[in-house]
Amino acid sequence: NAGVTQTPKFQVLKTGQSMTLQCAQDMNHNSMYWYRQDPGMGLRLIYYSASEGTTDKGEVPNGYNVSRLNKREFSLRLESAAPSQTSVYFCASGTGSYQPQHFGDGTRLSIL
Amino acid sequence: QKEVEQNSGPLSVPEGAIASLNCTYSDRGSQSFFWYRQYSGKSPELIMFIYSNGDKEDGRFTAQLNKASQYVSLLIRDSQPSDSATYLCAVIKEGSQGNLIFGKGTKLSVKP
Repeated sequence: NAGVTQTPKFQVLKTGQSMTLQCAQDMNHNSMYWYRQDPGMGLRLIYYSASEGTTDKGEVPNGYNVSRLNKREFSLRLESAAPSQTSVYFCASGTGSYQPQHFGDGTRLSIL
Repeated sequence: QKEVEQNSGPLSVPEGAIASLNCTYSDRGSQSFFWYRQYSGKSPELIMFIYSNGDKEDGRFTAQLNKASQYVSLLIRDSQPSDSATYLCAVIKEGSQGNLIFGKGTKLSVKP
């Protein structure tokens, strides 16, 4: 019972490099979310997808793009990484509406 | 005013005691309320959710909601060292498509 799977678990990038964080869920959830977590800032929503084929900006979308590839998969792309994007990134999924979300194990990303 | 506020702690309680964690929220339209537990270096794990005024009990955990006071709390009875973690309060506002707004978390330490 995998739940929400994120890859990779760790990554080190140089400033200006690009990369895509992958997320897949096997719970048949309609909604998927990307958060970042920084010390002292808590969890902040980057982008979300309320359903397959739709994506919307969250609180901190600048510097990121997303793709909802199908119902299971939701990727987050950094086109030109900056040191300010050093963070722990969590993907989550849920049924939407007022129901709980379930989180993946996270990706620890460092940008030098 | 922050949307979801928690005392950052650390809150220290002896083993076997009751730990009381508190959270206030600013939007009266908030509909759903969640408590997540996060161990250091791990992802948030859902432990309780509550939608209606009053108490909801699950094992050693009780969530309490008072919408008039815009206040939600988590009580942990018979606290164990394994309960030592950061506890995140989160709410979903009405009409927000299920987006969670997190507090910054309260760090709980249970001393043997």
